[in-house]
Amino acid sequence: AQSVTQLGSHVSVSEGALVLLRCNYSSSVPPYLFWYVQYPNQGLQLLLKYTTGATLVKGINGFEAEFKKSETSFHLTKPSAHMSDAAEYFCAVMDPYGGSQGNLIFGKGTKLSVKP
Amino acid sequence: GAGVSQTPSNKVTEKGKYVELRCDPISGHTALYWYRQSLGQGPEFLIYFQGTGAADDSGLPNDRFFAVRPEGSVSTLKIQRTERGDSAVYLCASSLSQGRDTQYFGPGTRLTVL
Repeated sequence: AQSVTQLGSHVSVSEGALVLLRCNYSSSVPPYLFWYVQYPNQGLQLLLKYTTGATLVKGINGFEAEFKKSETSFHLTKPSAHMSDAAEYFCAVMDPYGGSQGNLIFGKGTKLSVKP
Repeated sequence: GAGVSQTPSNKVTEKGKYVELRCDPISGHTALYWYRQSLGQGPEFLIYFQGTGAADDSGLPNDRFFAVRPEGSVSTLKIQRTERGDSAVYLCASSLSQGRDTQYFGPGTRLTVL
């Protein structure tokens, strides 16, 4: 069975500092990988996704993530944090070959705080 | 264009009552998903429709939960004999088709069972 682990339920950074949110997955086959962001009282919004091809994926708002098969990781980074990045971030996986191609399996989320 | 909408945004009910939660997907999206997000947790898959049929309902916790999508567009999640443990945010998402297509999420319905 697939699973997702997000290290750190809360991460706090200063404005302008590097953002690093960690995601590790467990899967018997290379999955599709996703990062979603959830602002208060809003729905989940896709930041970026990896399906095939280049392992470094660039998303919206300056975020990027790199799929590392050997480490079963898909960490999310942003060089310089903005106050507007404060939100909760969810990593998710999808089995591309499973009988039900579509349901996402989410991690528990990481709440990002940005200090002025 | 319009995104995924869900109604109501909040629902408070008493234990044992029946509730219906509605999802309007993005026009033209054939795949529709329901997830449940409990406090402090990530969303958990409930059921997925491809067109009118439930392609996978393996995430429904028990037979008190049921969902329909009779015309392949709007979907309704139905919960019978609600229990306090059903309290959560119920999220709906739609995508153009199944698989790698991006799932677009609605704002959710917060269900509170007293």
